[in-house]
Amino acid sequence: DTGVSQNPRHKITKRGQNVTFRCDPISEHNRLYWYRQTLGQGPEFLTYFQNEAQLEKSRLLSDRFSAERPKGSFSTLEIQRTEQGDSAMYLCASSPGDSLYQPQHFGDGTRLSIL
Amino acid sequence: DQQVKQNSPSLSVQEGRISILNCDYTNSMFDYFLWYKKYPAEGPTFLISISSIKDKNEDGRFTVFLNKSAKHLSLHIVPSQPGDSAVYFCAAIQSNAGGTSYGKLTFGQGTILTVHP
Repeated sequence: DTGVSQNPRHKITKRGQNVTFRCDPISEHNRLYWYRQTLGQGPEFLTYFQNEAQLEKSRLLSDRFSAERPKGSFSTLEIQRTEQGDSAMYLCASSPGDSLYQPQHFGDGTRLSIL
Repeated sequence: DQQVKQNSPSLSVQEGRISILNCDYTNSMFDYFLWYKKYPAEGPTFLISISSIKDKNEDGRFTVFLNKSAKHLSLHIVPSQPGDSAVYFCAAIQSNAGGTSYGKLTFGQGTILTVHP
């Protein structure tokens, strides 16, 4: 169990640029979640994958955001035309597929800063 | 709307004493609750959970209590240790009745716990 891995750890970019984050879940975890955390708040749900299928998206996920999990293993989250309000910590979590009540294991996140 | 609330932004306790962290929720469809601990620059780490069919769950120094009628849960840490100093998040999962819940977590705002030696 090598844990959930997220890359990069930090991303600094100018407003209007596109950014892409990667998440490698724990091996054989079918469920993969993306969350966003801003200062002083708890993580907020963005989207959920079961294997390669994206089954749920939050209203927080505007059309500038897109996520994929092409082979049911790693996942990517892309933000197009970044805005100041996109500055946040983006967290990925995974859990086994047998029960939705299994605790989710989180990566250390990607901190996005928009200049 | 904040469906899970942690009304105490911070808590300070002495080493060896009890830490009590509180959490309230408004959504009656929540049926599973978890506590996560977060250190700076790390992702949240699962601590303990409780199903809505129980009112208490214990794991070592950590005990979670659930009062469904009051929509309130609390995490007790006894005895508190300096290494427990972290941000604690309460989180909830909605019932899968109807097959529409995929286990997403709804988090509170967090409580910063500081345990003094």
